[in-house]
Amino acid sequence: SAVISQKPSRDICQRGTSLTIQCQVDSQVTMMFWYRQQPGQSLTLIATANQGSEATYESGFVIDKFPISRPNLTFSTLTVSNMSPEDSSIYLCSGRRDGQETQYFGPGTRLLVL
Amino acid sequence: RKEVEQDPGPFNVPEGATVAFNCTYSNSASQSFFWYRQDCRKEPKLLMSVYSSGNEDGRFTAQLNRASQYISLLIRDSKLSDSATYLCVVKGTTDSWGKFQFGAGTQVVVTP
Repeated sequence: SAVISQKPSRDICQRGTSLTIQCQVDSQVTMMFWYRQQPGQSLTLIATANQGSEATYESGFVIDKFPISRPNLTFSTLTVSNMSPEDSSIYLCSGRRDGQETQYFGPGTRLLVL
Repeated sequence: RKEVEQDPGPFNVPEGATVAFNCTYSNSASQSFFWYRQDCRKEPKLLMSVYSSGNEDGRFTAQLNRASQYISLLIRDSKLSDSATYLCVVKGTTDSWGKFQFGAGTQVVVTP
């Protein structure tokens, strides 16, 4: 299986601040994604992180709120900007290897916004 | 209507019993299907892919019914360690870039 690490694993933040989550994948992963999972809910795709270019956002998610970078093949960051309590969730980095359909997930970042 | 729907459960199953549950999907063009398992406070992990002819992996059997647009998962001889949330995942296209749609999960609780 692919190795995907994330940090921080959890954080408690104040309203109005921003948090950047880092994701590192092994070299065989070509596609990277960011998901959000709220308690009792399904995983919701935020965006596909594209290497060296702007991420592809899903409906309901915008770059100003969730800026994403992927400067190289194996590293990506997701920033949750100007946070509100509604942003409290688990944020998951995910990756897929080229030509494979299996999708692997990082351990997640548990975010609580007060 | 959600693209992938699951009975949230919980399904309370005595150890050693069999449990089965379904997942329905709305996009008839969906091509690939999976079951993922998510333990409490952990990330989802692939349990098994679902093939058109149905497939088994040990105590787990997955089936696909394209006509009725659902997939199923059956767990035989349930173990305490099978307690988890099972996520149904559907991919809409044949190419490797297709987006995965996740169900909200079915919770299974295996009791001694």
